[in-house]
Amino acid sequence: QVQLQESGPGVVKPSQTLSLTCTVSGGSISTDGYYWSWIRQHPGKGLEWIGYMYYSGSTYYNPSLKSRLDISVDTSKNQFSLKLTSVTAADTAVYYCVRGGAALDWGQGALVTVSS
Amino acid sequence: DVVMTQSPLSLPVTPGQPASISCRSSQSLVYRDGNTYLNWFQQRPGQSPRRLIYQVSIRDSGVPDRFSGSGSGTDFTLKISRVEAEDVGVYYCMQGTHWPFTFGPGTKVDIK
Repeated sequence: QVQLQESGPGVVKPSQTLSLTCTVSGGSISTDGYYWSWIRQHPGKGLEWIGYMYYSGSTYYNPSLKSRLDISVDTSKNQFSLKLTSVTAADTAVYYCVRGGAALDWGQGALVTVSS
Repeated sequence: DVVMTQSPLSLPVTPGQPASISCRSSQSLVYRDGNTYLNWFQQRPGQSPRRLIYQVSIRDSGVPDRFSGSGSGTDFTLKISRVEAEDVGVYYCMQGTHWPFTFGPGTKVDIK
């Protein structure tokens, strides 16, 4: 049973960089053959696909976020990460790390609040 | 971006009765490989979303067979044959054919 766990600061100041890491257990980022994704959910609202990547480094970024976004992988730690720069209040959301381009397995989510 | 719409947005249901949610896309979801990448998710209160169905009609492991998906092209339906109390939550359709992948606004299912 694959499990995903998000970690990172719960509060980020406006204009700074939001950084989250997803630790994968029960499976391997580099050998499972899946894409690894980030999805967010604004408070009380719907879901937005941020981007996804393959362990080899191929990345697919939502065009609405592309200029501020970086998704990377550390296969030695079986982790993948999200960095979103120049954040505003509009980036306040629960951030989920997800296995698969079809969103098969989800982490529990990490609430990130952008506030000074 | 492909716009996904759902109806109804709110669905009060009686336990034991059927329920149906419609999902429509602004473009055909048939991919060049011939598959249609339309998924359904359930989000119970306070929980992460859980995938129920992928590629229109294939149930995920452990999903009760009272859930079924159907449709083609731009028109899709999720049906619950007999609603149970544990089915309360928000249901989302999601297209994985055109990047960026997009979700519908969600249909809130609760018990009458």
